[in-house]
Amino acid sequence: AQSVTQLDSQVPVFEEAPVELRCNYSSSVSVYLFWYVQYPNQGLQLLLKYLSGSTLVKGINGFEAEFNKSQTSFHLRKPSVHISDTAEYFCAVTPFTGGGNKLTFGTGTQLKVEL
Amino acid sequence: DTGVSQNPRHKITKRGQNVTFRCDPISEHNRLYWYRQTLGQGPEFLTYFQNEAQLEKSRLLSDRFSAERPKGSFSTLEIQRTEQGDSAMYLCASSLAGRRGGVGEQYFGPGTRLTVT
Repeated sequence: AQSVTQLDSQVPVFEEAPVELRCNYSSSVSVYLFWYVQYPNQGLQLLLKYLSGSTLVKGINGFEAEFNKSQTSFHLRKPSVHISDTAEYFCAVTPFTGGGNKLTFGTGTQLKVEL
Repeated sequence: DTGVSQNPRHKITKRGQNVTFRCDPISEHNRLYWYRQTLGQGPEFLTYFQNEAQLEKSRLLSDRFSAERPKGSFSTLEIQRTEQGDSAMYLCASSLAGRRGGVGEQYFGPGTRLTVT
């Protein structure tokens, strides 16, 4: 079984400041990792994913994440945030094999960008 | 590509009533997933289909819940004898799973918000 921990339930940040949203996972098997964003009253949109290769992954809207296997972490970063980045962000994992690629999500981090 | 659609977007029902939700996936996608999201939580897996076969059900899916995907296209999720604890956002997602495995990106619909009074 897998579990995902998002340590911060809310992260307030000023516009144009950098931000890091933390994600740690636990799994007895190798996993793929994802970050999703959810705007109010909308479904989830994929920001980025780590499948293999370079541990630094770039996604949409200027976000990037770094996979650290030894620390079982997959933190999300953006060097300069915009008001429009205000949303809920979810980290998720799925095992390499088996389980039909069902996703296990963390509890989410609410990013609030202020002027 | 019109994306994943879900209907209705909102449903208010009284405790004990039955409700049914519909999900229309992206047309060429062979996998379809249902998740449930309660306030302040991340989505939790309920069940998934590959084509018309229901391959896995979470223990969260009690006997009051049933899902179908009769022709491998749209899917329905029915909840019988609804309880207040069923109030949640029900999300549907679809993906294209290749024959060689690997991970297909899941595309999510906007969800159906159920309120049981």
